[in-house]
Amino acid sequence: AQSVTQLGSHVSVSEGALVLLRCNYSSSVPPYLFWYVQYPNQGLQLLLKYTSAATLVKGINGFEAEFKKSETSFHLTKPSAHMSDAAEYFCAVTPSGFQKLVFGTGTRLLVSP
Amino acid sequence: GAGVSQSPSNKVTEKGKDVELRCDPISGHTALYWYRQSLGQGLEFLIYFQGNSAPDKSGLPSDRFSAERTGGSVSTLTIQRTQQEDSAVYLCASSFPPSGNSYEQYFGPGTRLTVT
Repeated sequence: AQSVTQLGSHVSVSEGALVLLRCNYSSSVPPYLFWYVQYPNQGLQLLLKYTSAATLVKGINGFEAEFKKSETSFHLTKPSAHMSDAAEYFCAVTPSGFQKLVFGTGTRLLVSP
Repeated sequence: GAGVSQSPSNKVTEKGKDVELRCDPISGHTALYWYRQSLGQGLEFLIYFQGNSAPDKSGLPSDRFSAERTGGSVSTLTIQRTQQEDSAVYLCASSFPPSGNSYEQYFGPGTRLTVT
């Protein structure tokens, strides 16, 4: 069965600092991996996705993630945090592009001035 | 174009009552998913429809939960005899068939269900 683990339910950074949100996955088959962002009282918005093409994936709003098979990781990074990045971030996995997403427990990103 | 829409946005119901939640997927999307987001359980898959195939109901928590999709478009999630533990945000998503690398699911804003 596929699963994801997100380390840290809360991450706090200062504006302008590096953002690093961790995600490790477990999958018996090559996975498809996603990062979604959720702003308060809104649905989920796709940030980026890995679908077995390039291992370094660039997404919206300056975020990127690197798929590392040897580490079973798909960590999300952004070089410089913005106040508007404050939200909850979810890592998700699916064994194919057309089945259910299995989500991590989420990481709330707090950005201070 | 229009995204996934859900109605109502908020629903307050008394314990024991039945509720229906509606999802309108993006036009042309053949796959439709329901998820539940609650404080205790995080984001959980409930059910998945793909075209005319039998739905994947493996995530439905009990037989009080059911869903249907009419005409390959609109879907309704029904919860019978609601319980307080059903209180959650119910999210609907839809997606294209896989073509190229278009695998993302597009989410609606959710329906917040409160059972009193």
